[in-house]
Order: sequence, then C-alpha cells, then structure tokens
Amino acid sequence: KQEVTQIPAALSVPEGENLVLNCSFTDSAIYNLQWFRQDPGKGLTSLLLIQSSQREQTSGRLNASLDKSSGRSTLYIAASQPGDSATYLCAVLGGSEKLVFGKGMKLTVNP
Amino acid sequence: EADIYQTPRYLVIGTGKKITLECSQTMGHDKMYWYQQDPGMELHLIHYSYGVNSTEKGDLSSESTVSRIRTEHFPLTLESARPSHTSQYLCASSEYGTGASGNTIYFGEGSWLTVV
Repeated sequence: KQEVTQIPAALSVPEGENLVLNCSFTDSAIYNLQWFRQDPGKGLTSLLLIQSSQREQTSGRLNASLDKSSGRSTLYIAASQPGDSATYLCAVLGGSEKLVFGKGMKLTVNP
Repeated sequence: EADIYQTPRYLVIGTGKKITLECSQTMGHDKMYWYQQDPGMELHLIHYSYGVNSTEKGDLSSESTVSRIRTEHFPLTLESARPSHTSQYLCASSEYGTGASGNTIYFGEGSWLTVV
C-alpha cells in the first residue's frame, strides 16, 4: 500500500528565505507526482505535476524535482513571501489511478 | 483556472436529515472524485467515477452515495446525517488517461458540513 510522508509537519521562516519542502513515498511504481497548495478553509490548488519520466518541473519561483527510484520529491520555493503561507501537499498517482496524499506541511512566512 | 464548483460551501444540519452536496465541472473531464478531509488531517478518497454511469468506492469507507448521470455533475448524498459525518468534503476532477496533461487534478473550494 502506497504511503506518502511529508516532514516536517510545519515550518515557520522569515520572508526572503529559499525553502525546500520534502515528500517521500514508499512505492516507486507511480505515474506522476503532484504538489498542491491549500489555503485555510479552501480547496486544493495544483502547483506542479511531474510525470514519472521527468526529473523536474518549474513554475515561476517554484521548482519541483522527482527521484522515483529513491521515492523522493522536493518542492523548492525561491525568495519566500508572506503570500506563500499555506499548507503544501504532495500526492502520487499509482497503478490504481487513485491519488494518495501526504498529510501536508503548514508553511508560515513571516514579514 | 479550474472550473469546478461545489454547493453549499457551508451547511449546518440536524441529525437524521438527508443532504446532497453538489459538484459540477465545466471542463468535460471524465474522472471525478470526492475526498473527505478533517481539519489538519490528510485527504481520504471516498468515491470516484471514470465517467457517466460509473461509480466506485474509495479507500475510506463512507455511508454516503454518489451518482454520475451527466459528465459534468457528481453529487454526493447522505441519507441520514450523523455528527460523525461532520467534515470538509472536496470534489475534484481530471481528464481520463495518463497523458502528459491528463492527470492534473482540479479541486473545488470544498463543502463544510456540520451535523448537530
């Protein structure tokens, strides 16, 4: 059974720092990995999707990498801003075609 | 920008009432999902659908039921609500298949249900 882990569960940093968020998964047989952002009381917004054949994807200040063989992904946020404060979740899509989510990491960027 | 809508956003109902949470998407996606999420906890898949007339149970046992009569509509129904059903319910959709853009999943804003 696929398990997705995100450590730490919460992170508080000053504005301007470059951040690395970690995600690990137990079964490397995945189609893709997706990073999401969730604001309090809201749904999820897709940030980046990495196919299993890709190593990384970039969107603005965000860069996500995937090392399928070691079961790891990282989300890099450059020059963090208070508006980046949210919960970040990663999810993997496996052979069952169902997404398995981590518990998320709550990020607070202080001005 | 995702075009997936959920109503109601917030609802407080009494025990034993029947409730239907609506979900509609205008992207023509075949696959639709319902997730349940308690505050601060992970998402759990409770129902999904591959297309019209297709419904499947997810990983988390749920007393709710779903239907898929039209591609754009995937309502979730609780026949008799209980306090244990208090949670946030998130609807989502994606294109069917494993193509490069086919599996981006789009979420609605969620429906917060409180059963008293």
